[in-house]
Amino acid sequence: NAGVIQTPRHKVTGKGQEATLWCEPISGHSAVFWYRQTIVQGLEFLTYFRNQAPIDDSGMPKERFSAQMPNQSHSTLKIQSTQPQDSAVYLCASSLDLSQNTLYFGAGTRLSVL
Amino acid sequence: DAKTTQPDSMESTEGETVHLPCSHATISGNEYIYWYRQVPLQGPEYVTHGLQQNTTNSMAFLAIASDRKSSTLILPHVSLRDAAVYHCILRVANQGGSAKLIFGEGTKLTVSS
Repeated sequence: NAGVIQTPRHKVTGKGQEATLWCEPISGHSAVFWYRQTIVQGLEFLTYFRNQAPIDDSGMPKERFSAQMPNQSHSTLKIQSTQPQDSAVYLCASSLDLSQNTLYFGAGTRLSVL
Repeated sequence: DAKTTQPDSMESTEGETVHLPCSHATISGNEYIYWYRQVPLQGPEYVTHGLQQNTTNSMAFLAIASDRKSSTLILPHVSLRDAAVYHCILRVANQGGSAKLIFGEGTKLTVSS
């Protein structure tokens, strides 16, 4: 079991460019979560999927951010027209199902917007 | 979800048993108590969880007050690897409902040799 895999580990983009972050959940896990972490805001919930369907995106910024889960083996978080304030560590987590909240987190992708 | 209160930081020495407190005075009857920890450059790691009874696993012992308004995560014989930020989180665990975990600031545990 390789755990939750996030790629890339580090990404540097210029202001206005697009960034796509990838997450491969643990095989067999039906729920996938995205979080963002900064020193100022701490760990913030963004969105989550269950069986590939979006369930709760209440934490997603209204503009420029989107998440998808095209199949059970990966999810993507896309940020269009990146801004310096988007710089953060983006964490993906998966869980076996929603009846238990044991989330397993990946190591995160550190996004730096210059 | 009900709110938790934790001390900002605690210090310990290798080999000691550490007690990390968490206050949750407004906890609901169907809310579980979850503990996660996070070290720098890694994602949070599940430690343990419980509803009413004390629980134990290879990482820690979770003591839950009889009125459930507080809990204590007990780390026996801590090592340098136990230095982390420990988060106490309340969550209703039900299938089909919103299952997101809301993290607070947590307690930063420092372990010295």
